[in-house]
Amino acid sequence: EAGVVQSPRYKIIEKKQPVAFWCNPISGHNTLYWYRQNLGQGPELLIRYENEEAVDDSQLPKDRFSAERLKGVDSTLKIQPAELGDSAVYLCASSKNSGHSIFEQFFGPGTRLTVL
Amino acid sequence: KQEVTQIPAALSVPEGENLVLNCSFTDSAIYNLQWFRQDPGKGLTSLLLIQSSQREQTSGRLNASLDKSSGRSTLYIAASQPGDSATYLCAVCGSSNTGKLIFGQGTTLQVKP
Repeated sequence: EAGVVQSPRYKIIEKKQPVAFWCNPISGHNTLYWYRQNLGQGPELLIRYENEEAVDDSQLPKDRFSAERLKGVDSTLKIQPAELGDSAVYLCASSKNSGHSIFEQFFGPGTRLTVL
Repeated sequence: KQEVTQIPAALSVPEGENLVLNCSFTDSAIYNLQWFRQDPGKGLTSLLLIQSSQREQTSGRLNASLDKSSGRSTLYIAASQPGDSATYLCAVCGSSNTGKLIFGQGTTLQVKP
């Protein structure tokens, strides 16, 4: 079974430029998460999708961040414009939740973003 | 607000030692707790998941325990090997069933040959 796929693995951009990250979850996983991990810290949730619906985006800085999950499979996270403080690793995770049962989350390799 | 703390932040041991990593959380009303491993420049690999109704889980040389009442979990690694060197993260899923994980800052383990 293929794991969570993310691209690109690394991205270096200048501040004020736009950037986008792509995630393909594990097949059959209905729940998709985007986390941000700053250096030396644990990941923090940005947004959670149940199928196509964003059910928790309370931590997403909506002035510059946006996300979508068309057809309830792949997802894209965008930053426009990027700021120096956005430099971090952006992790995508997926799980197969059912009703009130929350299952194990599986993470992709992440995209390491550097904003100059 | 749930807070997760991992102590120590870093640990260095000789190969073959048994060791314990600690994780504490402030709100005992959790749904489950998950331990992850992260190698430098890599994503997170799930090691063990403990449901709130469970006291421990085992996988190979790893054993994780959960004491909800005291807000603590431990990850026990038996007969450590250099290949165990990595950062270990614990994460708590709150009882609201949102699936949102609250992570600790991790313990970076170095096992010396």
